[in-house]
Amino acid sequence: QQQVKQSPQSLIVQKGGISIINCAYENTAFDYFPWYQQFPGKGPALLIAIRPDVSEKKEGRFTISFNKSAKQFSLHIMDSQPGDSATYFCAARVGGSYIPTFGRGTSLIVHP
Amino acid sequence: DVKVTQSSRYLVKRTGEKVFLECVQDMDHENMFWYRQDPGLGLRLIYFSYDVKMKEKGDIPEGYSVSREKKERFSLILESASTNQTSMYLCASSSSGGELFFGEGSRLTVL
Repeated sequence: QQQVKQSPQSLIVQKGGISIINCAYENTAFDYFPWYQQFPGKGPALLIAIRPDVSEKKEGRFTISFNKSAKQFSLHIMDSQPGDSATYFCAARVGGSYIPTFGRGTSLIVHP
Repeated sequence: DVKVTQSSRYLVKRTGEKVFLECVQDMDHENMFWYRQDPGLGLRLIYFSYDVKMKEKGDIPEGYSVSREKKERFSLILESASTNQTSMYLCASSSSGGELFFGEGSRLTVL
């Protein structure tokens, strides 16, 4: 049973477009929602994270939108660039735990 | 600069061989993790450790064991490698409540 469902599995976007990756969860005890970015040949690295007391967090071209009532959160990449091509993982963590539950990942390709 | 180092980037082993994957972190983190990454299945937790000599099973511990004799080092052991253990293995560390820092991965092929 997937506790964090991520979609789509793969995404192709043209340079300058908006990339949107969605995640949904069931466990209402989750209270920390990080996104990790993984480039080919590298390990994942924290990109941006949000707590459920805010509905949106923006860092440069990357924005997390959070809908607590729908138990959904999404990553938006504005003005997508070829250098954004990577695998993106959403995750969720219960308060007091140090172990995140990961989504299955989205492979993003941004065409020049 | 924080660092998680996995000693072997690529390994090729034969079925039945014993395999050791080593991971060292230089951040004095309490927690260390071993994940397996397969296409379409994401990151699956094999084992984790929250202190020296302490270990807990993750979601897919079967066929694996771990060792943590020192705080900075966490080893993954495949007692008798099988072809279905061909995968990318990722080590990570974290402080309590903190983000995970991952190594670059060890790609294991079992023939």
